[in-house]
Amino acid sequence: AQTVTQSQPEMSVQEAETVTLSCTYDTSESDYYLFWYKQPPSRQMILVIRQEAYKQQNATENRFSVNFQKAAKSFSLKISDSQLGDAAMYFCAYRSYLQGAQKLVFGQGTRLTINP
Amino acid sequence: DTAVSQTPKYLVTQMGNDKSIKCEQNLGHDTMYWYKQDSKKFLKIMFSYNNKELIINETVPNRFSPKSPDKAHLNLHINSLELGDSAVYFCASSQDRRGTGNYEQYFGPGTRLTVT
Repeated sequence: AQTVTQSQPEMSVQEAETVTLSCTYDTSESDYYLFWYKQPPSRQMILVIRQEAYKQQNATENRFSVNFQKAAKSFSLKISDSQLGDAAMYFCAYRSYLQGAQKLVFGQGTRLTINP
Repeated sequence: DTAVSQTPKYLVTQMGNDKSIKCEQNLGHDTMYWYKQDSKKFLKIMFSYNNKELIINETVPNRFSPKSPDKAHLNLHINSLELGDSAVYFCASSQDRRGTGNYEQYFGPGTRLTVT
């Protein structure tokens, strides 16, 4: 079974600086998708960025980028120029395909605090 | 226009009661999901339905019974509520059942269930 591990329960960063959130996963599949979701205090799950495993190029979305290391099964999220609105729980997720359907397997989450 | 909606957003009830949470999506997706987020923020899939057919059931107690009257709705009924059922329940939907393609899961706002 696939597992996702986020080893940093909490992180903090100064506003305008850069922070990297770590994620590792375990799978025997060769083709899959990885995601980072953001959950602010409103508890809405918001997709931040996605990565397709067969693409070697790291995904980027404005200030958000990933470092995808397929051989190491590592998928870290870098947030540049941190803003107060980035404060949230961040979840790394693996999209598994099982029993004819997809499901998301989530990591434990990292709580990110932005210091003004 | 809300893509995935859930009612109610908050639900407080006593042990032993039966309650339902409703979910509706207006995205035209054919697959819907229920996820549970526990007190430690850990998210785990419970069920998945495709075109009203149950395709994933992740060892959830049979007090939990999902019902899909049509592919735009997936309700969650919980019998004989227990203290441990207290959590946030998220509904989600996606377009692609087969796990291929760039089809993300869209989440509802969540329902916070508190059992006293």
